[in-house]
Amino acid sequence: DTAVSQTPKYLVTQMGNDKSIKCEQNLGHDTMYWYKQDSKKFLKIMFSYNNKELIINETVPNRFSPKSPDKAHLNLHINSLELGDSAVYFCASSQRLAPSPYNEQFFGPGTRLTVL
Amino acid sequence: AQKVTQAQTEISVVEKEDVTLDCVYETRDTTYYLFWYKQPPSGELVFLIRRNSFDEQNEISGRYSWNFQKSTSSFNFTITASQVVDSAVYFCALKGLPTDSWGKLQFGAGTQVVVTP
Repeated sequence: DTAVSQTPKYLVTQMGNDKSIKCEQNLGHDTMYWYKQDSKKFLKIMFSYNNKELIINETVPNRFSPKSPDKAHLNLHINSLELGDSAVYFCASSQRLAPSPYNEQFFGPGTRLTVL
Repeated sequence: AQKVTQAQTEISVVEKEDVTLDCVYETRDTTYYLFWYKQPPSGELVFLIRRNSFDEQNEISGRYSWNFQKSTSSFNFTITASQVVDSAVYFCALKGLPTDSWGKLQFGAGTQVVVTP
């Protein structure tokens, strides 16, 4: 009955590889997000999708490509991984505006990506 | 531009002491929302509280309490009678409307709380 789930939890890979992280939410929310948390714990948004439409795209290298097959899923694909991509990636979801504009975000458990 | 400042990098206390975490924010939006999240050593981000800009009532939930003061742009968080399980990184976050009507959260840098027995 996990609300927001991510797979895998840990990902260790070599520089130059391509990898994907999957996210699924069963909360019925219409908006999903990807955040990156660096080694100093800074959390920064990368992307957001609302009903499968990209609505937030921060200054992220185009090696990162999110894909939302439906509003319950938001996957993150990373091409040509670099050392600096090592971080914890969090998926989150929320219900935009309705029933209230509070729409706090619920986060997944995170995926720790280590690039060697 | 929106900004959230958590000036305290780390706070260490002995169990049963109270600890207050400071959060100061900047926004030009007249409507905005403030949040606190907890990140325990296990790594997940746990939602604790939300507050909107029109509601300056303080809130208490068990050992947690929040003091929202619009005049000083602060949304401070106090843990009363701290316990070892409170050891975590605590994040303050801001979402403005209409600037971030799509839900982008601006996080502070986080405050590490260490509670020792």
